[in-house]
Amino acid sequence: KNQVEQSPQSLIILEGKNCTLQCNYTVSPFSNLRWYKQDTGRGPVSLTIMTFSENTKSNGRYTATLDADTKQSSLHITASQLSDSASYICVVSALTGGGNKLTFGTGTQLKVEL
Amino acid sequence: SQTIHQWPATLVQPVGSPLSLECTVEGTSNPNLYWYRQAAGRGLQLLFYSVGIGQISSEVPQNLSASRPQDRQFILSSKKLLLSDSGFYLCAWSVRPLRGNTEAFFGQGTRLTVV
Repeated sequence: KNQVEQSPQSLIILEGKNCTLQCNYTVSPFSNLRWYKQDTGRGPVSLTIMTFSENTKSNGRYTATLDADTKQSSLHITASQLSDSASYICVVSALTGGGNKLTFGTGTQLKVEL
Repeated sequence: SQTIHQWPATLVQPVGSPLSLECTVEGTSNPNLYWYRQAAGRGLQLLFYSVGIGQISSEVPQNLSASRPQDRQFILSSKKLLLSDSGFYLCAWSVRPLRGNTEAFFGQGTRLTVV
């Protein structure tokens, strides 16, 4: 069964500090992996997407890494800001006979404090 | 450009009443469509997945059903709501490629409160 597990479940950091969120998956056949940011009460918004051949990708202060061999990904946030407080969701896409299917992690709830 | 519409934004319904949430996508054809639920303090849970008209896959047993009467219309329904159906419901779509990257686009969500 396709699964995506994220850790930690929640995290509190001080403004300006860095943090790293983890994502482990057992999705096959793997197509790509995305990180989404979801503000409270809103729909998720895509941060990065990585395919099998990509090891790292950056979007501003967000840097995602992917190790397709170990089926692990991380999202590193640099110099955190209060506006980074949100849920970060790892999503893995698998190619099926009917098309692509997305498997979502449960998310990491990040809170940035002064 | 493609857009996704989901309504209503908020809904308060009594236990035992029916439910109908609608989602439409514009600017694309043959999208994959999804209904997700997010209970308070929890992650997104896939409820239904559709690759085409009349084709619905249910991921978890529940009190809800989904229908896709048109290519770009996805409806989430219930005949009798339960208190446990309260939550934040999100509709999403993605292109259905044979290979390559995929992207998921989300609606703004519906906050359902069953009282």
